[in-house]
Amino acid sequence: GAVVSQHPSWVICKSGTSVKIECRSLDFQATTMFWYRQFPKQSLMLMATSNEGSKATYEQGVEKDKFLINHASLTLSTLTVTSAHPEDSSFYICSATHPRGQEQYFGPGTRLTVT
Amino acid sequence: AQSVTQLGSHVSVSEGALVLLRCNYSSSVPPYLFWYVQYPNQGLQLLLKYTTGATLVKGINGFEAEFKKSETSFHLTKPSAHMSDAAEYFCAVSASGGYQKVTFGTGTKLQVIP
Repeated sequence: GAVVSQHPSWVICKSGTSVKIECRSLDFQATTMFWYRQFPKQSLMLMATSNEGSKATYEQGVEKDKFLINHASLTLSTLTVTSAHPEDSSFYICSATHPRGQEQYFGPGTRLTVT
Repeated sequence: AQSVTQLGSHVSVSEGALVLLRCNYSSSVPPYLFWYVQYPNQGLQLLLKYTTGATLVKGINGFEAEFKKSETSFHLTKPSAHMSDAAEYFCAVSASGGYQKVTFGTGTKLQVIP
């Protein structure tokens, strides 16, 4: 149990276009999900906290108008990178908090390449 | 506020040798501590976690870690390295509960030499 999936696993898009990444908790409901970003050979940095039915809370320095987060249901959160640029190329990982509240479960990640 | 320091961005061990990956943390509240492993182009897999209770925590694949409050440390060990252990390892800390953000260390890349 406690599986989190992400779709797509890999996406290539052209500069200036938008791309949506989905994060799903498959076997539990998650009121809270988190979005992280990982640059090559670096650690994960929290981008935002997503709470079902409310606006996401962004970390300092993260552009909320560029990285749109929607947590419309208890099993789905989406991250939309708007007007993507090559510097947005990164590995994006989501996590979902299990209702037991003890732990976040991480998705397998989505690699975004902007050309 | 919380932070994690992993000493050594690269660690090399011989197959069969002891694995020791160091992690020190800082937290203003009682911490939850985690070790994750990441293989190339993959997500994170939880190795083990400390929340409360027993300070020696056993995880998957023969790994264990000991929470030492006095030293603010949570070092990861494995008695005998296997080739399949070669990966990136991240130590992480959060305030108690899964609804708090997780702060990751910079990672340690483990190389296992045959």
